[in-house]
Amino acid sequence: AQKVTQAQTEISVVEKEDVTLDCVYETRDTTYYLFWYKQPPSGELVFLIRRNSFDEQNEISGRYSWNFQKSTSSFNFTITASQVVDSAVYFCALSEAEADTGRRALTFGSGTRLQVQP
Amino acid sequence: EAQVTQNPRYLITVTGKKLTVTCSQNMNHEYMSWYRQDPGLGLRQIYYSMNVEVTDKGDVPEGYKVSRKEKRNFPLILESPSPNQTSLYFCASSLFHPGYSNQPQHFGDGTRLSIL
Repeated sequence: AQKVTQAQTEISVVEKEDVTLDCVYETRDTTYYLFWYKQPPSGELVFLIRRNSFDEQNEISGRYSWNFQKSTSSFNFTITASQVVDSAVYFCALSEAEADTGRRALTFGSGTRLQVQP
Repeated sequence: EAQVTQNPRYLITVTGKKLTVTCSQNMNHEYMSWYRQDPGLGLRQIYYSMNVEVTDKGDVPEGYKVSRKEKRNFPLILESPSPNQTSLYFCASSLFHPGYSNQPQHFGDGTRLSIL
């Protein structure tokens, strides 16, 4: 079963629209961490945010905001007043400790490609 | 300048010919990791290392080896590459495991491997 699901493969919006990227995760761990990364067309991966499972406060950073809801196992990412420079692939990721091995691997979703049209 | 350096950036090779992709970081990070990125699958972790001489499997370790003999280097070895290992590979490092610290992972620029 996929541990991190980003159901939206591709989203296209017009500049200045708000857009929300969905992320649903699955874990049995009580202590886990969630991340968002951005991959612009140039290819590098840029860290955006880390959130631990005990902190359900929403976070805002400029035009970016994150909504973490344990009840629905979701960690959604909203860009307000989108800009062309926001065009990128966005990845959600989960870090959990596996019960049988104790490994703490990092699992990424398949990504959402966001196109912001001028 | 703080960076993660991967080499080569591009490589086309043939099935069965051993290859190594090097990864080096200059930030004295303890944690290093390798990922492969494939269309529709996102990034999948191959191996990671919590510190020197400490490595562990990620989600897709089959066909790969790694070593961490020194803190700055974390090479990815394909002993007998096969076409299904054609992919875009990223090396990353962070001060500690991303789950244990707010320190972000720094990624290299990627290595595009084509195995014919």
